[in-house]
Amino acid sequence: DTAVSQTPKYLVTQMGNDKSIKCEQNLGHDTMYWYKQDSKKFLKIMFSYNNKELIINETVPNRFSPKSPDKAHLNLHINSLELGDSAVYFCASSQDSGYEKLFFGSGTQLSVL
Amino acid sequence: GNSVTQMEGPVTLSEEAFLTINCTYTATGYPSLFWYVQYPGEGLQLLLKATKADDKGSNKGFEATYRKETTSFHLEKGSVQVSDSAVYFCACSGTYKYIFGTGTRLKVLA
Repeated sequence: DTAVSQTPKYLVTQMGNDKSIKCEQNLGHDTMYWYKQDSKKFLKIMFSYNNKELIINETVPNRFSPKSPDKAHLNLHINSLELGDSAVYFCASSQDSGYEKLFFGSGTQLSVL
Repeated sequence: GNSVTQMEGPVTLSEEAFLTINCTYTATGYPSLFWYVQYPGEGLQLLLKATKADDKGSNKGFEATYRKETTSFHLEKGSVQVSDSAVYFCACSGTYKYIFGTGTRLKVLA
C-alpha cells in the first residue's frame, strides 16, 4: 500500500492552461506539504497544511491554490501555467509539526511547453 | 529562519571508497536533522535522522552525528557501493517546514 500517492506522475501542457495535481496519504498524518524541485534538484517548500488548515505559504504566486478537503488529501491547482512552472512537484506528509520524518510521494513531473 | 548548507557535487568515488558529505545548519531552537536519499525518478526517502545534540543516526552503513557545537551533521560511509549512487539531501526541521540543502549527487564507479 502506497503511503503517499500523487497523480499524475507526468503532466505535459501548454502555457496558459490550468492543471491540478492530487495527493493522498493513508498514514493518518496531520500535516501535509507541497515541495517544488527544480532542474538542479533544489527542493523548496511551497505550502504546509495541518488538519486542513493552511499553515505555511512560502511566497508562492497566487496562481497556485492548494486545497485540503480533509486531512488525508492535499491537492494543488495551478492557473495560467508559465514556462517557469516546469519542475517536479512533491507531496509529503508528517506525523507532527516538524520533528518526525517526512514521507514523500513519488513526484509529478510538470512540463509546460 | 533555518537554513542548510551542504557540499556541492557531484562526488565521484570508486567502489569501497570512504564517503563524506558535509552539511552545516543554522537554526533557532533544537531542530531535528535528517539525511534523505533520492534515486532517479523517485521521491526522497529517509536515510537517517537525529533529534538532539550528540545523537548518531545510522542506516545501511551510513552514519551522521548531530554536532551542536559546530552546527554540523556530516554524512559518512566507510565503503560505498555502486548501488549508493543517488542524490543525498541534508535537512533541518522547523515548525511545519523542513529546510533542505541543495543536494549532493554521488556517483560510485565499479
